[in-house]
Amino acid sequence: AQSVTQLGSHVSVSEGALVLLRCNYSSSVPPYLFWYVQYPNQGLQLLLKYTSAATLVKGINGFEAEFKKSETSFHLTKPSAHMSDAAEYFCAVSGTGSARQLTFGSGTQLTVLP
Amino acid sequence: EAGVAQSPRYKIIEKRQSVAFWCNPISGHATLYWYQQILGQGPKLLIQFQNNGVVDDSQLPKDRFSAERLKGVDSTLKIQPAKLEDSAVYLCASPTRAASNTGELFFGEGSRLTVL
Repeated sequence: AQSVTQLGSHVSVSEGALVLLRCNYSSSVPPYLFWYVQYPNQGLQLLLKYTSAATLVKGINGFEAEFKKSETSFHLTKPSAHMSDAAEYFCAVSGTGSARQLTFGSGTQLTVLP
Repeated sequence: EAGVAQSPRYKIIEKRQSVAFWCNPISGHATLYWYQQILGQGPKLLIQFQNNGVVDDSQLPKDRFSAERLKGVDSTLKIQPAKLEDSAVYLCASPTRAASNTGELFFGEGSRLTVL
């Protein structure tokens, strides 16, 4: 079975500062990995995904993530935080075979300070 | 492609009452998922459908939760009787048409349930 662990349930950064949200995964086979963002009272929106192509993945709104197999990590970064980035971020891993179920981490609430 | 439609957006009931949520997934897609998201937690899979059939319902509390997908299109999730701990957002999701083999999902906006 696959799982993800998000380190830090709350992260605060100043506007313009680097954003780093941590995600470690566990999977017995090469995984597919995702970052989703959830704004208040909205559903989940895909930020970016790793599907075994390039290890550095670029997503929407200036976010990117790097797949590091040796560290079993898929951390999310953005060079310069914007107030509109305040939201909850979820890392997720996809299972194998025909089921292809997404398993989510517990989420990281990002606060951007003026 | 059209998105995932869910209703109602919000529902408040008292414990032991019943409630039903409806989902219309991305058009033409065979697979549909229901997730439960409790406040402060990540979404947890309740049930996965492939057309009319259930692929996985191992985490569905079957003593009170039921789900069906008639004709392989719309789906309904029912809770009867509701408990306080069922307060959550219920999310419906479909695989995206372009990436249906990776697990990537497109989510509806969810139905927020409050049980008093």
